[in-house]
Amino acid sequence: LPVLTQPPSASALLGASIKLTCTLSSEHSTYTIEWYQQRPGGSPQYIMKVRSDGSHSKGDGIPDRFMGSSSGADRYLTFSNLQSDDEAEYHCGESHTIDGQVGVVFGGGTKLTVL
Amino acid sequence: EVQLVESGGGLVQPGGSLKLSCAASGFTFSDSTMDWVRQASGKGLEWVGRIRSKANNYATAYAASVRGRFTISRDDSKNTAYLQMNSLKTEDTALYYCTRRDGAFDYWGQGTLVTVSS
Repeated sequence: LPVLTQPPSASALLGASIKLTCTLSSEHSTYTIEWYQQRPGGSPQYIMKVRSDGSHSKGDGIPDRFMGSSSGADRYLTFSNLQSDDEAEYHCGESHTIDGQVGVVFGGGTKLTVL
Repeated sequence: EVQLVESGGGLVQPGGSLKLSCAASGFTFSDSTMDWVRQASGKGLEWVGRIRSKANNYATAYAASVRGRFTISRDDSKNTAYLQMNSLKTEDTALYYCTRRDGAFDYWGQGTLVTVSS
């Protein structure tokens, strides 16, 4: 099964840029992942899907300053012009069908702090 | 406006049962794939399982950690999905979210808290 690895925390200054990373297990390096934002006390919200070729598809209402990209087994979520509202937990997830079995795997999440 | 409203959570003893409901509105529920995802306090997200639409024979799938204990069902006439949880363990304690799957988990409920404790 795929394994998704995320650093537990990240921080950056208000107005700066930051790139969050989600790393797929090497044998699953071509898989597409999804990014979700979860603000404190809130439910997750879909941000975008990032494919192995670096293309991405955003959810409704996601601002242009959120971008997705990819390099090898790494999938990225890049924020430009960080806002205080971006302070949240960010989860990556992957949905698959392997040998006829459906499954979904999430990373451990990255807590983003805006300084 | 899309809404997913979970209910049915509460305190239950180990080995007990609980049935969660997810009432949907604002989209064509009968055509939709519905999933359950849980989150233990301070932890990440964990997928629980899925039920597909009538057109896909109401096919279900479950995480290994709950397979054989949990059952997902739906009543399209009531726009409601269900999660029947049996043989509950302390490690099942979590906030349980209902979510729609349409290429991604595009809509989420607010969650219902399940606590398994003696």
